[in-house]
Amino acid sequence: QQQVKQSPQSLIVQKGGISIINCAYENTAFDYFPWYQQFPGKGPALLIAIRPDVSEKKEGRFTISFNKSAKQFSLHIMDSQPGDSATYFCAASTSTGTYKYIFGTGTRLKVLA
Amino acid sequence: DADVTQTPRNRITKTGKRIMLECSQTKGHDRMYWYRQDPGLGLRLIYYSFDVKDINKGEISDGYSVSRQAQAKFSLSLESAIPNQTALYFCATSLSGRETQYFGPGTRLLVL
Repeated sequence: QQQVKQSPQSLIVQKGGISIINCAYENTAFDYFPWYQQFPGKGPALLIAIRPDVSEKKEGRFTISFNKSAKQFSLHIMDSQPGDSATYFCAASTSTGTYKYIFGTGTRLKVLA
Repeated sequence: DADVTQTPRNRITKTGKRIMLECSQTKGHDRMYWYRQDPGLGLRLIYYSFDVKDINKGEISDGYSVSRQAQAKFSLSLESAIPNQTALYFCATSLSGRETQYFGPGTRLLVL
C-alpha cells in the first residue's frame, strides 16, 4: 500500500493553542517522514522531518511524534500563531535511492487571532 | 532571485490545445519532479527525472509528457488539454542522496 492518510482535512485553532495533525501509512519500507508547509500562492516548503529511529523530533514550536508500531506520525504546533495559518502536508518516502514522496491529502490550518 | 522558477504562473487554455509548462532551477540539483495539486487530493507525482537522460513516470502520467532539456530545465507538456487537467502544477528539485525537495511557486492551469 502506497497511501498516506492525513487528518483532519481542516483545523481551526485559537491563538496560543495546540494544533495537531495526524498521518498514517501502510508501507513499512517508508523510512523518511517530512512535513511540508504551504502558504497561499506559494510552493510547499520543508518544515520538519523525522526518521523511524526516533520517536520524537522538536524544532522550536513544531514537534513530530512518531509511532512505528502503529505506523502513525503527527505534527504538533505549540503556541499556534496566526502566521502558522497554512496548508500542511505529511509525506513518506524510502531512502533506497529514490526518495520519491507519497504525500498526504493536506490539512488547512487556520489560527484565529 | 528564486532558486526554482516556473512559467507561466497562470494559464487559461481550451480543451484540445497543447500547452507547455516550464521549470528552471539554479540550485545545481540533479533531480527534478512535476506534481499536480488538487483540493482534497494533495500532491501527486506526474513525472520525475534523476538526470538529463533519466525520466520516469509517476503515479498519474497519462495525458502528460516531459522533456529534460538540461540539468536545470524540466518541461511538462499537455498534448491535448482536457478540463480534468485543471489544477495547480508544481515543479520540485532535489540533490541525489538528499531527501529534501524544493518546490517552485506553481502554475495555476485552467482548461475550459
